[in-house]
Amino acid sequence: DAGVIQSPRHEVTEMGQEVTLRCKPISGHDYLFWYRQTMMRGLELLIYFNNNVPIDDSGMPEDRFSAKMPNASFSTLKIQPSEPRDSAVYFCASRPTGGSEKLFFGSGTQLSVL
Amino acid sequence: GQQLNQSPQSMFIQEGEDVSMNCTSSSIFNTWLWYKQDPGEGPVLLIALYKAGELTSNGRLTAQFGITRKDSFLNISASIPSDVGIYFCAGRSRSSNTGKLIFGQGTTLQVKP
Repeated sequence: DAGVIQSPRHEVTEMGQEVTLRCKPISGHDYLFWYRQTMMRGLELLIYFNNNVPIDDSGMPEDRFSAKMPNASFSTLKIQPSEPRDSAVYFCASRPTGGSEKLFFGSGTQLSVL
Repeated sequence: GQQLNQSPQSMFIQEGEDVSMNCTSSSIFNTWLWYKQDPGEGPVLLIALYKAGELTSNGRLTAQFGITRKDSFLNISASIPSDVGIYFCAGRSRSSNTGKLIFGQGTTLQVKP
């Protein structure tokens, strides 16, 4: 069974450019989470969805960040315009409905904004 | 917001040694999870704990849900080089009505062959 799939694995862009990160959750998982990981701040939750509906976006740093989940098998995280301080590893994770709380992570997208 | 204090921040040990790390919170948690992250990869779940006092093993790894419900411990016995990585605790507070997990800052483990 395939895990959480993220693309691209690496993204290098210039300041001011639009960046789109993609995620395919595990089939049957109703929850999808976007995390950002940096050395300084560790793993930060940006936003999460339940049944494709955004539930909590309080972790989204600024209006430059937006996330969508048009269907149960696809989500995007967009940064526009990108800035050097956005450089980080962005993880997508999913889990099924139920009490287990077990979160399954993708391999991440390493973003570098020059 | 809520935070988890994970310690130690890093460890450098000799192969074959046992390892202990812990995580504490200021509030009561209903769930504790332990993850391992290899370089260039996402965190992978090692052990999940759901009841105070629960002790669960996964091979050479053993984790415990503290009886106060404010802490958790992870032990690795007879460490080997492939144990190298970053270990994260994560949990959900009893007062949380959301699906959010809180993550610790991680313990970086290095094993010398």
